Amino acid sequence: AQSVTQLDSQVPVFEEAPVELRCNYSSSVSVYLFWYVQYPNQGLQLLLKYLSGSTLVKGINGFEAEFNKSQTSFHLRKPSVHISDTAEYFCAVSLSWGKFQFGAGTQVVVTP
Amino acid sequence: DGGITQSPKYLFRKEGQNVTLSCEQNLNHDAMYWYRQDPGQGLRLIYYSQIVNDFQKGDIAEGYSVSREKKESFPLTVTSAQKNPTAFYLCASSRTDEAFFGQGTRLTVV
Repeated sequence: AQSVTQLDSQVPVFEEAPVELRCNYSSSVSVYLFWYVQYPNQGLQLLLKYLSGSTLVKGINGFEAEFNKSQTSFHLRKPSVHISDTAEYFCAVSLSWGKFQFGAGTQVVVTP
Repeated sequence: DGGITQSPKYLFRKEGQNVTLSCEQNLNHDAMYWYRQDPGQGLRLIYYSQIVNDFQKGDIAEGYSVSREKKESFPLTVTSAQKNPTAFYLCASSRTDEAFFGQGTRLTVV
């Protein structure tokens, strides 16, 4: 069975500071990995995804994530956050046929 | 444009009533899902369907029912057996390499 663990439920960060959101997964088979963002009262939007190839993945809005197979991690980073990055972030995995498993989410609160 | 449409955006229900949430997609995806979201609890899977006329229970299926008569449609019924239905409901569809979400329906029991 696969599972996704987001290690931080809430991350406070100052504007223009860097942020890292941690995600670990467990799976007995190869998976695809994703990060989604959710703004209040909206659906989830894809930030980035890892399918294969380079382990450093760049996404929208200046976010990037690194796939680490040995540590079964897929941490999300941004070098300098903006107020508009305040949102909830979800890590997810999918199996080959497409069923998705989501983590519990990390709330990022950016303050001036 | 292709996407997922959930309706209505806000829904109010009296206790003891059944209510159906609509979800339609024109992405030609086989897989569709319903999630429930409560504050601080992330996304919890209610039901999912991999193909027309087939669906499986997720982690919190009690008090809910679904149908999948068409590829494009995956409606969710919240029955009176669901004791705490007030929540934000998200529908999604997926292909192997990405999941797409609707904008959600906020259900409130009054």
